[in-house]
Amino acid sequence: AQTVTQSQPEMSVQEAETVTLSCTYDTSESDYYLFWYKQPPSRQMILVIRQEAYKQQNATENRFSVNFQKAAKSFSLKISDSQLGDAAMYFCAPNNAGNMLTFGGGTRLMVKP
Amino acid sequence: NAGVMQNPRHLVRRRGQEARLRCSPMKGHSHVYWYRQLPEEGLKFMVYLQKENIIDESGMPKERFSAEFPKEGPSILRIQQVVRGDSAAYFCASSLGPNTGELFFGEGSRLTVL
Repeated sequence: AQTVTQSQPEMSVQEAETVTLSCTYDTSESDYYLFWYKQPPSRQMILVIRQEAYKQQNATENRFSVNFQKAAKSFSLKISDSQLGDAAMYFCAPNNAGNMLTFGGGTRLMVKP
Repeated sequence: NAGVMQNPRHLVRRRGQEARLRCSPMKGHSHVYWYRQLPEEGLKFMVYLQKENIIDESGMPKERFSAEFPKEGPSILRIQQVVRGDSAAYFCASSLGPNTGELFFGEGSRLTVL
């Protein structure tokens, strides 16, 4: 079974600053993906970024990037130049065979103007 | 809109009634996943279906809950004799195939049990 730990229930960042959300996981899978999803107040689950575990290069999507440490089973999300629209719950999730995701408990990100 | 469509978006039921939640996957997707989100928690996997087959139901409660994905029509998550603890947001997601690393979520159905 997979477990996912997001140790920061809440984080706060000043607009235009950088923030890092942490995530650690445990899995017995050898080949898997890791995801960060954003859930704004509308509750829609929005994919932020995806990392393939076999790739050493960290994924980047515009202002969003990850620091993937496979041996340490760590998958943190860095948001640069934070914007008010980034305020949301953020969930980390590895998948297992079959696209079934295991979600962490989430980190609530607040962005201060 | 070719995204994952869920309905109803909001459903209110009294204890003991039945709730039916529907999910139409993205066009061309034959793999459907249901997740439940309790207040202030992350999503929890419930069941994974492929057309006419349940692939993995390890996250489904043993009683009152069932799911299907018929050859024609949407996937349905059915909850019989609802209780207050069933109040949650139920999300459906779909993918083109297994382990593609691409999962697309619907907007969720919020069930409130009075």
